[in-house]
Amino acid sequence: DSGVTQTPKHLITATGQRVTLRCSPRSGDLSVYWYQQSLDQGLQFLIQYYNGEERAKGNILERFSAQQFPDLHSELNLSSLELGDSALYFCASSGTGRANYGYTFGSGTRLTVV
Amino acid sequence: GEDVEQSLFLSVREGDSSVINCTYTDSSSTYLYWYKQEPGAGLQLLTYIFSNMDMKQDQRLTVLLNKKDKHLSLRIADTQTGDSAIYFCAESKDYKLSFGAGTTVTVRA
Repeated sequence: DSGVTQTPKHLITATGQRVTLRCSPRSGDLSVYWYQQSLDQGLQFLIQYYNGEERAKGNILERFSAQQFPDLHSELNLSSLELGDSALYFCASSGTGRANYGYTFGSGTRLTVV
Repeated sequence: GEDVEQSLFLSVREGDSSVINCTYTDSSSTYLYWYKQEPGAGLQLLTYIFSNMDMKQDQRLTVLLNKKDKHLSLRIADTQTGDSAIYFCAESKDYKLSFGAGTTVTVRA
């Protein structure tokens, strides 16, 4: 157990739907990062939050949004889902706003859009 | 991960050494990392190296960094079946890590 908790582990939904993925960072970590892992694109950085504020944005689609709450957990919202959004979505956390000593990853949410 | 490149596959015999290579592009990267991903699991940080170091050893793992050539390698000594996994090289850029495509290591008996 890495200390980063992601729920749900698996999600199957239809095209056009909206889903919410949840992440609880490791205790004491202030930063949360979201990554998408697909076979053709590899690991793509989506977005980072630090202590409730957006810190960095990567290749995140406009249909996707995220937030970090006062208790530091984060949610990634994916809407108007398309088949191509099927992927593993990872959350990671770190103690500070910089990568420095690396992230701790959760075990991921596998999203299947049918 | 287009800024970090690594070979996609490596097959190694059990007991031999594995060497996984990676090239990165950002010379200002402060830290470089190796992560391991087993099937159905998240990424596990194996080791990292600070950019002012040439080598770091941690039990069976040896990381070599050639900053001039922007080349990073991971050597696994006495490779075991449990080392079969995907290994990702990553560099720190600003507030995030950029990953390579991953090298799938298969350990054969």
